[in-house]
Amino acid sequence: NAGVTQTPKFQVLKTGQSMTLQCAQDMNHNSMYWYRQDPGMGLRLIYYSASEGTTDKGEVPNGYNVSRLNKREFSLRLESAAPSQTSVYFCASSEAPPGYPEAFFGQGTRLTVV
Amino acid sequence: AQSVTQLGSHVSVSEGALVLLRCNYSSSVPPYLFWYVQYPNQGLQLLLKYTTGATLVKGINGFEAEFKKSETSFHLTKPSAHMSDAAEYFCAVMAGGATNKLIFGTGTLLAVQP
Repeated sequence: NAGVTQTPKFQVLKTGQSMTLQCAQDMNHNSMYWYRQDPGMGLRLIYYSASEGTTDKGEVPNGYNVSRLNKREFSLRLESAAPSQTSVYFCASSEAPPGYPEAFFGQGTRLTVV
Repeated sequence: AQSVTQLGSHVSVSEGALVLLRCNYSSSVPPYLFWYVQYPNQGLQLLLKYTTGATLVKGINGFEAEFKKSETSFHLTKPSAHMSDAAEYFCAVMAGGATNKLIFGTGTLLAVQP
């Protein structure tokens, strides 16, 4: 039972390069999330998708785009990476209330932009 | 809009002492509340959750939390700290309804002294 799988686990980008972080879940969850984690700032929500076909901005969406490809997959794209986007990125998924709304997390992607 | 405040970014206790980690939330609708734990270089693991019903919630590893609507609080406690409890702890709130937006606090790093 894989749960939430993120790829890649590590990435180094040069300023201005683009890349896509991939996330897939096998729990048939409706909702999916992308967060970034920085020291002292907790997890900040970048984008989320309440259900297949919908996406919404979170707390820090600037510089990012997302695609909810299907119910399983939710990708995060950096079009032109900046050093300020150096962070650890987590994908998560959850069932919708009144089901079991707790989120399950992937192991994270550590991204460095130089 | 919902938000979470965790008082104390660092908490240090002695082994065997009471653990108290504070969380206050803001939500315009009845919230779902969560505590997650993160061990170094790992993803997040659910400790416990409040959805509806009993306001005192028991979780894994001997932790519990009490939902107090009048105080908009959801503090995490454990009667006796163990060395293995050293980790970072995050409080999170999800507003009910269709959006399923999940917002985290900035985290509390718990140190346990021998």
